[in-house]
Amino acid sequence: DSGVTQTPKHLITATGQRVTLRCSPRSGDLSVYWYQQSLDQGLQFLIQYYNGEERAKGNILERFSAQQFPDLHSELNLSSLELGDSALYFCASSVGLGGSVSDTQYFGPGTRLTVL
Amino acid sequence: AQKITQTQPGMFVQEKEAVTLDCTYDTSDQSYGLFWYKQPSSGEMIFLIYQGSYDEQNATEGRYSLNFQKARKSANLVISASQLGDSAMYFCAMRDRNTNAGKSTFGDGTTLTVKP
Repeated sequence: DSGVTQTPKHLITATGQRVTLRCSPRSGDLSVYWYQQSLDQGLQFLIQYYNGEERAKGNILERFSAQQFPDLHSELNLSSLELGDSALYFCASSVGLGGSVSDTQYFGPGTRLTVL
Repeated sequence: AQKITQTQPGMFVQEKEAVTLDCTYDTSDQSYGLFWYKQPSSGEMIFLIYQGSYDEQNATEGRYSLNFQKARKSANLVISASQLGDSAMYFCAMRDRNTNAGKSTFGDGTTLTVKP
């Protein structure tokens, strides 16, 4: 158990809908990262938050947004869902800002999203 | 740009034998970190081992060791005394200072099957 929690574990929804994925980082970690894992794209970095502030952005679609709250939990919002958004969404956390190359990211169990 | 290459889509090993999973990387930065993660069929991503570019010794964690050859830009994972529970997908990842803050770049993974 990495100490990172994600809910829900599974989510099935329809095209055009909006969903929210939730993540709680390990105790003491200030950075939260979101990744998308799909069969055709592999593991893709979406976005990073550090202590409530957006720190880095990757291949995140405009239909997707995220935030980190004062208690450090984070939510990833996915809207106008398309079939291609079906994937495993991971949250990871680390202690630092992410600028240190040794700052290990610990992953949550993931949320499997299926868009029908 | 950062790139991680895992050339073995699938590997088989007999139980109790050792196995090496290959990883080569490309970066123009002198300071970088290399990580290995395990993803069992249940889906979670488990951190295994870390190697820093300036570390003089190869990293070891229990049955896992990292064969780091800096000049060849390779960071192969060695699993000794394989167990059935080692059957999983294994990802090599890297972070350097040139990249987008804390983003990690992942390879495509290697599926390891341990035969009884």
